[in-house]
Amino acid sequence: GQQLNQSPQSMFIQEGEDVSMNCTSSSIFNTWLWYKQDPGEGPVLLIALYKAGELTSNGRLTAQFGITRKDSFLNISASIPSDVGIYFCAGQLNTGFQKLVFGTGTRLLVSP
Amino acid sequence: EAGVVQSPRYKIIEKKQPVAFWCNPISGHNTLYWYLQNLGQGPELLIRYENEEAVDDSQLPKDRFSAERLKGVDSTLKIQPAELGDSAVYLCASSLDWRAKEQFFGPGTRLTVL
Repeated sequence: GQQLNQSPQSMFIQEGEDVSMNCTSSSIFNTWLWYKQDPGEGPVLLIALYKAGELTSNGRLTAQFGITRKDSFLNISASIPSDVGIYFCAGQLNTGFQKLVFGTGTRLLVSP
Repeated sequence: EAGVVQSPRYKIIEKKQPVAFWCNPISGHNTLYWYLQNLGQGPELLIRYENEEAVDDSQLPKDRFSAERLKGVDSTLKIQPAELGDSAVYLCASSLDWRAKEQFFGPGTRLTVL
């Protein structure tokens, strides 16, 4: 099935560093969601974006809905060890039903 | 508020055996989704229910997979017979209704087919 392009695939950083990841698509989306998945658990919703250009924060996390509606970005500031996990973007197609298309994931490792 | 509940969390079976997964969505959520997550990939939709009606099952391999949501609450996903390639995590999610933009996921069932 269709999967969005997410980059980078993985990151290994030091505690306290800032992190940026992005998601791109050839399709236009009307909503972008960012999820975090810990090992052995389901994805947990972090941030939801509803219109082009929107910038939304959730604590140390900030996400942006790209102007073209074909991309989105997630930034994590001052990373901590519990930020470790896989981050997925998900876009909702511009149709009546809110079908989610997920990205390939960014694996984040944080060294204390 | 309780989240999406799934059971079992892990299942190991031999190929050609049947297997079933159970999901209880968040209370009041009318829309229920089953997703397949292969190793190293994001979830992919298998089937969506609006109350008890399956309204999008185009990605469900109907030769061996089936699902039901008889009373519009709990749901069961079944594979019969299982194949080696079915080894994956099966995730259930729910949302308030089909217009809701946010979906909430359960912990998943990790299936291993030997």
